[in-house]
Amino acid sequence: EADIYQTPRYLVIGTGKKITLECSQTMGHDKMYWYQQDPGMELHLIHYSYGVNSTEKGDLSSESTVSRIRTEHFPLTLESARPSHTSQYLCASSEFGGAYGYTFGSGTRLTVV
Amino acid sequence: GQQVMQIPQYQHVQEGEDFTTYCNSSTTLSNIQWYKQRPGGHPVFLIQLVKSGEVKKQKRLTFQFGEAKKNSSLHITATQTTDVGTYFCAGPGVSYNTDKLIFGTGTRLQVFP
Repeated sequence: EADIYQTPRYLVIGTGKKITLECSQTMGHDKMYWYQQDPGMELHLIHYSYGVNSTEKGDLSSESTVSRIRTEHFPLTLESARPSHTSQYLCASSEFGGAYGYTFGSGTRLTVV
Repeated sequence: GQQVMQIPQYQHVQEGEDFTTYCNSSTTLSNIQWYKQRPGGHPVFLIQLVKSGEVKKQKRLTFQFGEAKKNSSLHITATQTTDVGTYFCAGPGVSYNTDKLIFGTGTRLQVFP
């Protein structure tokens, strides 16, 4: 079944650690996105990609980086985690971008202590 | 920059009462999309509206797109406890980048049995 997967679902990590949040989709979508969301709050776009080797920063400044080496894979990396990075990170993909709906993964809830 | 605001921010209703959330964009939108996020979950695409003045229904949910394509509403008739969650509207970015979705501030609905 076509879907979008995020791992880990929950992560508690110490300050200064490097972490990578994984996102994979099996739908063959070219367009993928990372949103950051604090509990109960709005979604802020932090990174997006239109396809392999294409990545752009979103509207919300983020210290994270992304890569897109394969169509199905769009990982997000924090080189040195800080408590201010504590949030939920949602990955999404779309066949037509903003012209149609996004499919979201289940998200990664990150806590930096 | 482009903004999408929703009101109210929170709404508590008794089961069986109606509920409406309103979405207002600072710019004209080519389409408006609605998503539902259950507590602890991820946003799920509900519907897309494209035409000026368009009205669509999904069982007890009625979605409307304004004539000027700058506002939209979601109305739920006779709410049920399964309607609990946060409802987000979203529209494509403007000018050169319509592949990004700009999400509204969200309306959190609580339904008391």
